[in-house]
Amino acid sequence: GAVVSQHPSRVICKSGTSVKIECRSLDFQATTMFWYRQFPKQSLMLMATSNEGSKATYEQGVEKDKFLINHASLTLSTLTVTSAHPEDSSFYICSAPGASTDTQYFGPGTRLTVL
Amino acid sequence: QKEVEQDPGPLSVPEGAIVSLNCTYSNSAFQYFMWYRQYSRKGPELLMYTYSSGNKEDGRFTAQVDKSSKYISLFIRDSQPSDSATYLCAMSAMDSSYKLIFGSGTRLLVRP
Repeated sequence: GAVVSQHPSRVICKSGTSVKIECRSLDFQATTMFWYRQFPKQSLMLMATSNEGSKATYEQGVEKDKFLINHASLTLSTLTVTSAHPEDSSFYICSAPGASTDTQYFGPGTRLTVL
Repeated sequence: QKEVEQDPGPLSVPEGAIVSLNCTYSNSAFQYFMWYRQYSRKGPELLMYTYSSGNKEDGRFTAQVDKSSKYISLFIRDSQPSDSATYLCAMSAMDSSYKLIFGSGTRLLVRP
């Protein structure tokens, strides 16, 4: 199957700082990528759809100015958590649609802890 | 009412048992159905993907879709301790721009 990577896998930061998370499709191109958030023992919540060359589409209730998304190339999308607060601590996962199927392949996730 | 309902478990079974995991959904527009396996602190891994009603088998895994009842299942035969994980069902509608709707996930524990 298609491979999606994320970096970093884990990050700890102080409250008020900004954190950037990268999502890369390693062996295929992705004009669309998705960013999810997952709290412990809960399912994935879609935050936004990242579109190469255009603005991201955010789900209802997700702050655009807080979660900045940039899809700079066909293999890279970045999520920047700005002015992070402890309540932003979560597991962030990206995904990209496969080339030949109507499904998605997920990255390994990034665990963000805001102190 | 959630669009996709899934029993969160946990479900505990002895090694070698047949496991049945299920989801129900309310949106008749859903056409694509997937099962993902997620180990603790890892990203979801695609296990099975089905489009039409019926069964699809892959090794010890069988995915079943009943669109008339809006019910999907995943069966795991000869379960192993390494199958212990959270299993998430996911589905999407045609022309949904690949947007997936997930169930809450079922935690499975296979006891040696």
